[in-house]
Amino acid sequence: GDSVTQTEGLVTLTEGLPVMLNCTYQSTYSPFLFWYVQHLNEAPKLLLKSFTDNKRPEHQGFHATLHKSSSSFHLQKSSAQLSDSALYYCALSGVNVGDNSKLIWGLGTSLVVNP
Amino acid sequence: EAAVTQSPRNKVTVTGGNVTLSCRQTNSHNYMYWYRQDTGHGLRLIHYSYGAGNLQIGDVPDGYKATRTTQEDFFLLLELASPSQTSLYFCASSPGQGRAPLFGEGTRLSVL
Repeated sequence: GDSVTQTEGLVTLTEGLPVMLNCTYQSTYSPFLFWYVQHLNEAPKLLLKSFTDNKRPEHQGFHATLHKSSSSFHLQKSSAQLSDSALYYCALSGVNVGDNSKLIWGLGTSLVVNP
Repeated sequence: EAAVTQSPRNKVTVTGGNVTLSCRQTNSHNYMYWYRQDTGHGLRLIHYSYGAGNLQIGDVPDGYKATRTTQEDFFLLLELASPSQTSLYFCASSPGQGRAPLFGEGTRLSVL
């Protein structure tokens, strides 16, 4: 079945260094991929969504490129900020042709950015 | 503005107690979801719905019932709460068809 695998556990960075959180997936069909961000005591919020036409979505300095050849949708940012400390989820939409309302979620990656 | 509102925001009950979590969305979305979030397990889907009167079983449905009474309202019912159901619960809504869900602020439930 469909699945999503993220960089596991905790990633710790120093402010100003680049961020890369890995997300790979398995899917029978061509899915949509999403990145959500969840700050402490808040709800998950959509950060990025993949496009179907190979465009690279960007938001708040983050970007991700869907590579179908490697089944990946890694999240990147050139320079980490303290406010980027949060839990990040990668998710896939499109389990079956007839039911693409159900998302498959990775387990989440906690990012901690230190001064 | 699109919104998903959950109530209560916090709830404490005892083992064997009866709990109802409420969710309302004002987005005219067809799909609504109930998730639980636990450290190490991420977001796990309990139940979801395509519309009023519809219910679909999620990935961790045991011990939970749900009911979608209207397009806007989706309820999660724990009829015999157990300590293993202590968790943070999120409701979400989506237009479906590959669109990203919008989440409510969550309900923190403790079962003592």
